Amino acid sequence: SAVISQKPSRDICQRGTSLTIQCQVDSQVTMMFWYRQQPGQSLTLIATANQGSEATYESGFVIDKFPISRPNLTFSTLTVSNMSPEDSSIYLCSAGGGLNTGELFFGEGSRLTVL
Amino acid sequence: GNSVTQMEGPVTLSEEAFLTINCTYTATGYPSLFWYVQYPGEGLQLLLKATKADDKGSNKGFEATYRKETTSFHLEKGSVQVSDSAVYFCALNLGNNDMRFGAGTRLTVKP
Repeated sequence: SAVISQKPSRDICQRGTSLTIQCQVDSQVTMMFWYRQQPGQSLTLIATANQGSEATYESGFVIDKFPISRPNLTFSTLTVSNMSPEDSSIYLCSAGGGLNTGELFFGEGSRLTVL
Repeated sequence: GNSVTQMEGPVTLSEEAFLTINCTYTATGYPSLFWYVQYPGEGLQLLLKATKADDKGSNKGFEATYRKETTSFHLEKGSVQVSDSAVYFCALNLGNNDMRFGAGTRLTVKP
């Protein structure tokens, strides 16, 4: 299994500001993903973080709002830009691929509250 | 399209009761199936998985069997504990880590 660390674990942010969430995996992984979990809801995939190239975004998510970096096989960042209260969610980093099992492993999430 | 439908919650049980959380799926191929658990304030943890028809995944007293004929992967536990209180997500993976999650079922176990 992979151990995934995220930070910050939680933050309270002001409207209009941006916040970057970091995700570190303890082993090299092929695929890294960012999910959003709105209060009381299931997980929605934001994007696939591709190493060495631009992230692949799902419908409804755009790079200007959620820029993603992935400089190597163990690290990725997600920025939530120009935040509004509607961005208050848990953001989850996950990793899969190269683990030969098909499942994804998740970080503990970053709980953002936007005032 | 490919999707997962799971039993709506919340589910409230007394300690030592039998648990079933239903999950059915729609998929164009042959997915792997998973149950994840999310304890309060935490991320998702893999609970169990099954990768082909008739496989049974099991962990911590929980079980689920991959039923291709009914496209189901129902989660069961014979005797729940207070510590099992969490949100449970059924999920399928179609390959290339295209993971689809159900809506989640909140379980509360009372002493």
